[in-house]
Amino acid sequence: NAGVTQTPKFQVLKTGQSMTLQCAQDMNHNSMYWYRQDPGMGLRLIYYSASEGTTDKGEVPNGYNVSRLNKREFSLRLESAAPSQTSVYFCASSALGGNTGELFFGEGSRLTVL
Amino acid sequence: AQSVAQPEDQVNVAEGNPLTVKCTYSVSGNPYLFWYVQYPNRGLQFLLKYITGDNLVKGSYGFEAEFNKSQTSFHLKKPSALVSDSALYFCAVGGSASKIIFGSGTRLSIRP
Repeated sequence: NAGVTQTPKFQVLKTGQSMTLQCAQDMNHNSMYWYRQDPGMGLRLIYYSASEGTTDKGEVPNGYNVSRLNKREFSLRLESAAPSQTSVYFCASSALGGNTGELFFGEGSRLTVL
Repeated sequence: AQSVAQPEDQVNVAEGNPLTVKCTYSVSGNPYLFWYVQYPNRGLQFLLKYITGDNLVKGSYGFEAEFNKSQTSFHLKKPSALVSDSALYFCAVGGSASKIIFGSGTRLSIRP
């Protein structure tokens, strides 16, 4: 059982380049999330999707866009990468919605922007 | 708006001793509270949650947490620490509209 799968696991970009982080879950979960993890900052919510067809901003949405392609997939796009976006990105999903149901996390995507 | 505070960056405990990792929260309405653990180079794993009911919640690996509404706290506890409990622990709060916010994390170090 794969759970939550993120690709790529590692990526190096130059400032100004664009890229998309892909996330897919096979648990038929309704809600999906993107977080970034930085030392000393914990996990900060970038965007979330409570259900298919909806997306909402989290704590730190600037510089990012998301697409809930279908119930399984939730992608995160950096249109013009900046060094401040160097981070580890985690995708997560939840069956009941994040406010009551536990999150299942992917293994993370480590992004470096030079 | 909802928020979570974990006041200790690191907690050091000797193996066999009890441990406490502190968490306080702020949220409008009923709080939905969670603890997660992260091992090196891995995603987060769910430990336990409080939605409603008993203030003492039991979770995985012998951990428990006590919900205190008057102090807006949800501290993580374990009666007897193991070296294998050493990891990064996150408290999180859910509020309206499926939004979940995490604290900054506490690194737990258990010495043999």
